[in-house]
Amino acid sequence: QKEVEQNSGPLSVPEGAIASLNCTYSDRVSQSFFWYRQYSGKSPELIMSIYSNGDKEDGRFTAQLNKASQYVSLLIRDSQPSDSATYLCAVNRIGGFKTIFGAGTRLFVKA
Amino acid sequence: KAGVTQTPRYLIKTRGQQVTLSCSPISGHRSVSWYQQTPGQGLQFLFEYFSETQRNKGNFPGRFSGRQFSNSRSEMNVSTLELGDSALYLCASSWGTGTSGKNEQYFGPGTRLTVT
Repeated sequence: QKEVEQNSGPLSVPEGAIASLNCTYSDRVSQSFFWYRQYSGKSPELIMSIYSNGDKEDGRFTAQLNKASQYVSLLIRDSQPSDSATYLCAVNRIGGFKTIFGAGTRLFVKA
Repeated sequence: KAGVTQTPRYLIKTRGQQVTLSCSPISGHRSVSWYQQTPGQGLQFLFEYFSETQRNKGNFPGRFSGRQFSNSRSEMNVSTLELGDSALYLCASSWGTGTSGKNEQYFGPGTRLTVT
């Protein structure tokens, strides 16, 4: 079992729709969760971090965390073609000094 | 505030050679992590440094090494290069000590290494 699992996609959504990206993790002591966006040929860019159960909203992005189910998700509302990228889920645990990344989900937003 | 910088941006080496990559973190950041990214394996953790100490290391052979200087700048070295070392090498910096787990990392542009 991989430490952080994501559906590789591609996930295709029409412009204006909600894109839902999911991630599961195996280490129950994981405490910090991150979503990064990576455009083709570019480096990952941090878009959201979440540390407590529940939802965290930032603009069009909402991160959701459920530690009991070991599940974290990212919702992108009003998806735009510029949101087309690979989204990486990352997990960190206290004192681990190591962040584990999922393989990423490719998102395509069709105009 | 300037972001994470990495040099060089592109590098072509021959099998058997060695290479040194450099990373300058965001001002004030004391933690530097290195990752290897390939299409097949994704983003793989190499090592993490804080205050010149390596605190964690990924599952890479001993040919991969690194260090951090007192100004938090970091270098990684790969000796006896193999064709499979061709990858994008990314450096990421963060504020934290890592003990809280709130380790928001910011990536540099990466060094694209090609081994022929």
